[in-house]
Amino acid sequence: AQSVTQLDSQVPVFEEAPVELRCNYSSSVSVYLFWYVQYPNQGLQLLLKYLSGSTLVKGINGFEAEFNKSQTSFHLRKPSVHISDTAEYFCAVSDRGSASKIIFGSGTRLSIRP
Amino acid sequence: GAVVSQHPSRVICKSGTSVKIECRSLDFQATTMFWYRQFPKQSLMLMATSNEGSKATYEQGVEKDKFLINHASLTLSTLTVTSAHPEDSSFYICSARDRGAAGNTIYFGEGSWLTVV
Repeated sequence: AQSVTQLDSQVPVFEEAPVELRCNYSSSVSVYLFWYVQYPNQGLQLLLKYLSGSTLVKGINGFEAEFNKSQTSFHLRKPSVHISDTAEYFCAVSDRGSASKIIFGSGTRLSIRP
Repeated sequence: GAVVSQHPSRVICKSGTSVKIECRSLDFQATTMFWYRQFPKQSLMLMATSNEGSKATYEQGVEKDKFLINHASLTLSTLTVTSAHPEDSSFYICSARDRGAAGNTIYFGEGSWLTVV
C-alpha cells in the first residue's frame, strides 16, 4: 500500500516570492506521483504528474516538481507566486497497475500575501 | 482537455430521502471511476472504485448499502446516498480514468455539495 505525507498544512508566502510545498511518499513498488490544485468550492485540477523518465516535471501555471527516489520525495516548487495561486494543493500517489487508485495527502493550503 | 462532469453541483435534500449524483466522462471512455468524499478543510477520502459492468469496490468503513454506486456504461457512474442524514452532508467528488491515455491519467469532476436538512 502507498501513503503520502504533506508536512505543511499551511504555507504563507508573499506575492512574487518562491515557494516549495513538500511531499513525501512511501511505497514498496514503483509509483506514479501527482500534484493537484483545488480552488475554493471547486474540484481538483491536475498540475503535473511524474510517470517515468526525467525527474524534473514541469506543469501548468509555472509549477514544477522533482522526483527524488532516494528521499522518496516529490516537492512542488514555483519561483514566483501570484495571488491567484492561493488554493489547496494535494500530493497524490498510485502504483503502476492498470486499476490503481490514487491516494491523496492531507493537503497544503497556500496563502499568498500581497 | 478531457472533462468529467458531475451533476448536480449542489443539492439539498430532506433527512431520510435518497439523492443521486451523476459522474460523466464527456470525451473519453472511463473503465474505472472513483468516488471521494471531502469534509471542509480536509483531504479527499476514497469511498469506492467503480468498474464498468461490475460491482464497485468499497473502502474499509464505507457502507455499501448506504452509498450505492452504479457504473452502467463507459461514460457514466452514479452515486446514490440512501436514507440520507445530516452527517452525510459533504462534498462528493468523482474521478475517471482515461483508458486511452498513458500512465494513471485520471480526471476529476467539479464536485457535488450535498446538504441534508
